[in-house]
Amino acid sequence: AQSVAQPEDQVNVAEGNPLTVKCTYSVSGNPYLFWYVQYPNRGLQFLLKYITGDNLVKGSYGFEAEFNKSQTSFHLKKPSALVSDSALYFCAVRITGGFKTIFGAGTRLFVKA
Amino acid sequence: DAGVTQSPTHLIKTRGQQVTLRCSPKSGHDTVSWYQQALGQGPQFIFQYYEEEERQRGNFPDRFSGHQFPNYSSELNVNALLLGDSALYLCASSLSQGGGDTQYFGPGTRLTVL
Repeated sequence: AQSVAQPEDQVNVAEGNPLTVKCTYSVSGNPYLFWYVQYPNRGLQFLLKYITGDNLVKGSYGFEAEFNKSQTSFHLKKPSALVSDSALYFCAVRITGGFKTIFGAGTRLFVKA
Repeated sequence: DAGVTQSPTHLIKTRGQQVTLRCSPKSGHDTVSWYQQALGQGPQFIFQYYEEEERQRGNFPDRFSGHQFPNYSSELNVNALLLGDSALYLCASSLSQGGGDTQYFGPGTRLTVL
């Protein structure tokens, strides 16, 4: 069965410092991997995705993520955090050839000025 | 270019009632997926519609049903509402390209069941 784990409920970081939001996954085939961000009372906004190819994926707002097949991870990173990055972040996985997307429980990022 | 729109924004129902939620996809998109997001949790996949047919379904009872119209818009119907159906219902649209397509989400409909 497909599953996604986001081991941290909350991540705290100071503005200007690098941030990492962790994600690991479990699928029976090759995965498509996604990161979304959710602001209060809003829908989810797409940040980036891994389909195939280069393991380092660059996305919106300066975010990037690295696909690591051996560790089944897809951690979200940003070199320098902004207060405006504070939000709820979701990792998601879809199996190749499938249509169902599985989301993690979310990680709340808090960036302190 | 309008993004994904959903109506209504908020809805209050009582147990046993039925509800219909509506979604208009982003221009150019042909696929609509519905998700239920309970408070403090990630979205849970309900089902996906493509070419007016349900293409895949998540682990939800038959009380949850849907429809896709020729203009690609979609409805989610929930019968015999339970207290546990209270959640944010999200619609996502995409252009079907073989699995790696990106889903774009609407703002959601907040359903409260009393």
